[in-house]
Amino acid sequence: GDSVTQMEGPVTLSEEAFLTINCTYTATGYPSLFWYVQYPGEGLQLLLKATKADDKGSNKGFEATYRKETTSFHLEKGSVQVSDSAVYFCALSEGNTNAGKSTFGDGTTLTVKP
Amino acid sequence: EAGVAQSPRYKIIEKRQSVAFWCNPISGHATLYWYQQILGQGPKLLIQFQNNGVVDDSQLPKDRFSAERLKGVDSTLKIQPAKLEDSAVYLCASSLEPGSTEAFFGQGTRLTVV
Repeated sequence: GDSVTQMEGPVTLSEEAFLTINCTYTATGYPSLFWYVQYPGEGLQLLLKATKADDKGSNKGFEATYRKETTSFHLEKGSVQVSDSAVYFCALSEGNTNAGKSTFGDGTTLTVKP
Repeated sequence: EAGVAQSPRYKIIEKRQSVAFWCNPISGHATLYWYQQILGQGPKLLIQFQNNGVVDDSQLPKDRFSAERLKGVDSTLKIQPAKLEDSAVYLCASSLEPGSTEAFFGQGTRLTVV
């Protein structure tokens, strides 16, 4: 079945540091890929998405590129802020772009210190 | 635009008791999902509704879990009887239609079974 593997956390960075959170996936077809963010006390929010190979999703300074050859969708940000402290989830949806029916990774907790 | 509403936010029950969670999706969203998120893990899909019909309940433990979406709007998820391993956050999400590229999540109900 489908699966998503995220780098284990927690990740602690200083403000303005470069962020990479690794995500790899296993899927039988051609999935759509997503990054969600969960701030403390809040629900999951879609951060960015990519629906086909080589697409780059971007939002709020975060980027991720859909790499079919390496089955990866790594999240990056050039300069993190304290407000980026949250849990980040990589997810995929199989076949069509049915974003609500997704398989999630186990999340990576990011803490940014001033 | 109002988001996905869930209640209660927190619930503590003893094992073998029953509990129900309520979800009100975004107005006009035909597709509704329930997820279970155990601490330290990513959300796992329990059931998907399209309007008032079940599309996928293959991951729902039907011996103790049930869900309904009468009239195709609000939904309730019930557990009876609860077990200790049911302690988790129960998330509701909705999307405009099955092929939507974005789903919206509620804040979740945190269930503790003691």
